[in-house]
Amino acid sequence: DQQVKQNSPSLSVQEGRISILNCDYTNSMFDYFLWYKKYPAEGPTFLISISSIKDKNEDGRFTVFLNKSAKHLSLHIVPSQPGDSAVPPCTGTASKLTFGTGTRLQVTL
Amino acid sequence: DGGITQSPKYLFRKEGQNVTLSCEQNLNHDAMYWYRQDPGQGLRLIYYSQIVNDFQKGDIAEGYSVSREKKESFPLTVTSAQKNPTAFYLCASRLQGAWSDTQYFGPGTRLTVL
Repeated sequence: DQQVKQNSPSLSVQEGRISILNCDYTNSMFDYFLWYKKYPAEGPTFLISISSIKDKNEDGRFTVFLNKSAKHLSLHIVPSQPGDSAVPPCTGTASKLTFGTGTRLQVTL
Repeated sequence: DGGITQSPKYLFRKEGQNVTLSCEQNLNHDAMYWYRQDPGQGLRLIYYSQIVNDFQKGDIAEGYSVSREKKESFPLTVTSAQKNPTAFYLCASRLQGAWSDTQYFGPGTRLTVL
């Protein structure tokens, strides 16, 4: 049972434009959601999180939106930079983290 | 400076041997976690520990064992019973606050069974 789904396997965005990464979840017990930056063969690096009682959290270039009724998250990165190219997994947390498979983001020059 | 260390970065093992992966943190976090990553899949939870001397099975605990004798350390043993041990293993610790919940990850250990 895949509780966190990222249906777009990849996304290519031009530098300076907005990247929008989407995530759907099924577990209504998640109390926090986290986005990580993930390169192959490296540990994830925390990007941004949002509590389930909020609908938006912003930190610099990163904004995460939560729509609880639709069980949907999105991460907006603006402006996108080449260093953002990674595979950020969307993550839900209750007593433990549940990771999505990630969307391969490629920011081109 | 604080962080999570995993050693070694690359590990090779012969089939049928047990091997122990190290994970140490000096962040003073109570909870620690072990995940494995396989190509094309999200991270999957093996074991986790909320407090010293206590741990729980995750989603794929079969063939693995852990111990939590010290707050700073959470070693993972991959036993010969694990049918497909070749993978990338990640250790994490967790900081939960009143308004935040974050896991911090180590750099990972890539285990290859020959």
